[in-house]
Amino acid sequence: GQNIDQPTEMTATEGAIVQINCTYQTSGFNGLFWYQQHAGEAPTFLSYNVLDGLEEKGRFSSFLSRSKGYSYLLLKELQMKDSASYLCAVVDSNYQLIWGAGTKLIIKP
Amino acid sequence: IAGITQAPTSQILAAGRRMTLRCTQDMRHNAMYWYRQDLGLGLRLIHYSNTAGTTGKGEVPDGYSVSRANTDDFPLTLASAVPSQTSVYFCASSDGSSGGYSTDTQYFGPGTRLTVL
Repeated sequence: GQNIDQPTEMTATEGAIVQINCTYQTSGFNGLFWYQQHAGEAPTFLSYNVLDGLEEKGRFSSFLSRSKGYSYLLLKELQMKDSASYLCAVVDSNYQLIWGAGTKLIIKP
Repeated sequence: IAGITQAPTSQILAAGRRMTLRCTQDMRHNAMYWYRQDLGLGLRLIHYSNTAGTTGKGEVPDGYSVSRANTDDFPLTLASAVPSQTSVYFCASSDGSSGGYSTDTQYFGPGTRLTVL
């Protein structure tokens, strides 16, 4: 079967750095997305990785290792507004988008 | 309008009733999707449409139907609601320029919270 694994919940301190991991077992791979979802709101796009390596966008970076079936989202200089769920989603060989259950990130002052 | 709108915002429905969730986008996106989101589970695709006039089944299509008469609108109908359809429903759209929907960024509406009693 196809599976996306993310931690259910993480806690971090304002101003710190946090890494949210995502591991996947899918039938093939055609890219990986990260979305942010604040409570009661819609998911919004953060990043898309299809090649190995790190992509940086301001305070947020996303890393992919296709050989390890692994990605992480790195958030730097955490702000209270970063409290949200972070969703990992993988495009499989049939171009189906498989979603993880999301990681709820709690930021404490 | 800017982006995607959904209506209603929330609804409480008696089991057995028929319900249509509305979704409209003004980005002229080719592809549109309906998802449900349940606690502890990832988003699950119900139905999708790659272009006006065509629709397809997603992961959990049973009990739901869709139509795509034009580019902007993509309503989702529950013919006879059951309590297991209690969920938050998100409509999304993407440009569709890649030829397949999955590798394009999806833009989500604000969601409809549906409770079936």
